[in-house]
Amino acid sequence: NAGVTQTPKFRILKIGQSMTLQCTQDMNHNYMYWYRQDPGMGLKLIYYSVGAGITDKGEVPNGYNVSRSTTEDFPLRLELAAPSQTSVYFCASSYSSGEQYFGPGTRLTVL
Amino acid sequence: TQLLEQSPQFLSIQEGENLTVYCNSSSVFSSLQWYRQEPGEGPVLLVTVVTGGEVKKLKRLTFQFGDARKDSSLHITAAQPGDTGLYLCAGAETSGSRLTFGEGTQLTVNP
Repeated sequence: NAGVTQTPKFRILKIGQSMTLQCTQDMNHNYMYWYRQDPGMGLKLIYYSVGAGITDKGEVPNGYNVSRSTTEDFPLRLELAAPSQTSVYFCASSYSSGEQYFGPGTRLTVL
Repeated sequence: TQLLEQSPQFLSIQEGENLTVYCNSSSVFSSLQWYRQEPGEGPVLLVTVVTGGEVKKLKRLTFQFGDARKDSSLHITAAQPGDTGLYLCAGAETSGSRLTFGEGTQLTVNP
């Protein structure tokens, strides 16, 4: 199993551009999450999903959108990138609310 | 929103020393997890504690959940350079709810 995979690993955006961060898991987990982590800080939950077709907001959802059309995929969309969205983004999955398995992260810089 | 406060925020010690990091909240958690994150990677689960007063050992690491299930500690005996990383605690308010992460303790063990 590959576990949780994320693409791209790195990306630089200009202010106002949009992009989609991809996340795929092959563990048949029903729960999936998107977090952002600022330097030296913990994880802030952006959005999460408890199953295909179901999504909900976390602590810091503004400026982001998600969809969950399949069990495996949970893409995160940034519509109008802002410097405040410069961060490292982690996708995670879990079976129910148990141990979360994290991807390697996407490092995003908005200039 | 529940808050988890971790202390200390930074810790730099010599190889062979012992250390304890703390995770505190004013809220009660049904379970608490400890993760370790190495640079450039996602967090990896170390342990989950669910019962007040519970103590779990993982080699040189000892985890304790407070009797009131509001706090937890991680004790490392004879620290090694390989223990270097960001230690994160994360709590679930109820069984099945999403996790709230602390800000983390950045540990550096010098040879």
